[in-house]
Amino acid sequence: EPEVTQTPSHQVTQMGQEVILRCVPISNHLYFYWYRQILGQKVEFLVSFYNNEISEKSEIFDDQFSVERPDGSNFTLKIRSTKLEDSAMYFCASSMTAGRTEAFFGQGTRLTVV
Amino acid sequence: AQTVTQSQPEMSVQEAETVTLSCTYDTSESDYYLFWYKQPPSRQMILVIRQEAYKQQNATENRFSVNFQKAAKSFSLKISDSQLGDAAMYFCAYRSYKAAGNKLTFGGGTRVLVKP
Repeated sequence: EPEVTQTPSHQVTQMGQEVILRCVPISNHLYFYWYRQILGQKVEFLVSFYNNEISEKSEIFDDQFSVERPDGSNFTLKIRSTKLEDSAMYFCASSMTAGRTEAFFGQGTRLTVV
Repeated sequence: AQTVTQSQPEMSVQEAETVTLSCTYDTSESDYYLFWYKQPPSRQMILVIRQEAYKQQNATENRFSVNFQKAAKSFSLKISDSQLGDAAMYFCAYRSYKAAGNKLTFGGGTRVLVKP
């Protein structure tokens, strides 16, 4: 069964460093998302991406964040200068259309900022 | 903005028994989707069940069923014949039918404990 794949599963970085979280969405999906879950809290929407541009972003997704689809398969989230409060589980998701199809989630990348 | 509320932080159920998880949401829209996601200790988000707001019939998936009350803005999940593998966090989620970004808005989650 097709699945969304995220790498790495765990990333430790020093405060102020840049990190890139990588995702390979399901191949025929057209909509891509990033969500964040701080430990013990709810899952929060960060950004959605369609047709090579951001279609919606939350207030969390400020200038330190960026997304890119550098080739036909990868979808990346870059955090430019990490802060301690960026420590969280980051989930990538994809869906085939904007309609009734559900989003499929990857297994997540645990980001720890020290 | 839409909000999703899960009022039960934790629910405990005996194996083979039934447990019902509550979810309420706030929206001014008439067309939308509702979902229940399961998050086991591995922390991956797994879709359990989906309901389209325009459908009056409640969705079912094997041992999982929902009670969708559109007027009351309520969307509860019933897990029948609970199994040890059902132990997880369960998140209720809302998605607008029209929103360009197609984002999911999640509730705070309910932890389900299954006692053998």
